Amino acid sequence: KAGVTQTPRYLIKTRGQQVTLSCSPISGHRSVSWYQQTPGQGLQFLFEYFSETQRNKGNFPGRFSGRQFSNSRSEMNVSTLELGDSALYLCASSLNRAELTQYFGPGTRLLVL
Amino acid sequence: QQPVQSPQAVILREGEDAVINCSSSKALYSVHWYRQKHGEAPVFLMILLKGGEQKGHEKISASFNEKKQQSSLYLTASQLSYSGTYFCGTATYGSSNTGKLIFGQGTTLQVKP
Repeated sequence: KAGVTQTPRYLIKTRGQQVTLSCSPISGHRSVSWYQQTPGQGLQFLFEYFSETQRNKGNFPGRFSGRQFSNSRSEMNVSTLELGDSALYLCASSLNRAELTQYFGPGTRLLVL
Repeated sequence: QQPVQSPQAVILREGEDAVINCSSSKALYSVHWYRQKHGEAPVFLMILLKGGEQKGHEKISASFNEKKQQSSLYLTASQLSYSGTYFCGTATYGSSNTGKLIFGQGTTLQVKP
């Protein structure tokens, strides 16, 4: 089975712009979680989607949003980018909400200038 | 609240053993261990559910003390390939059926020849 895929892998944006990141989970997996990883804050939970619904949200401002499609693919959007949004954005998929093991994708590295 | 990992960093020679600890102030439902190499995605190692079980994977094993809300990862006869940053991710009872993991700050392990 192919693993979790994320696109794009690298992105450079300027402050004030918005960005959309994409995540395709492992085939058959229906739950997708998003995390932000920075050297200072580590791995922080952003949100989780299951059956096209956001089921859980971390402590991030409303500029961070996401959605999930009927094929379980997920996107996250960050509007009005700030320098502090520079990070590695990881998505992880799991089979369902009962199967707890999460498998991470390679991430999208976002640099905000 | 973020679990605390110790030590923050450890340097080993090939063949030596190491223990990485993960401690939480909250009642844990499960503990997930990952290893991340520089520039790569976190790779799932193992998951431990409440019940104090111990799991093993080749020369890497882990335990979960539910009463103390602590988990330990044991690496025996370390190999060069074990180098990387190890993260514990925790799910509390309130989030046990969600895709929300709270990660520790990581432990950097370096294995030298």
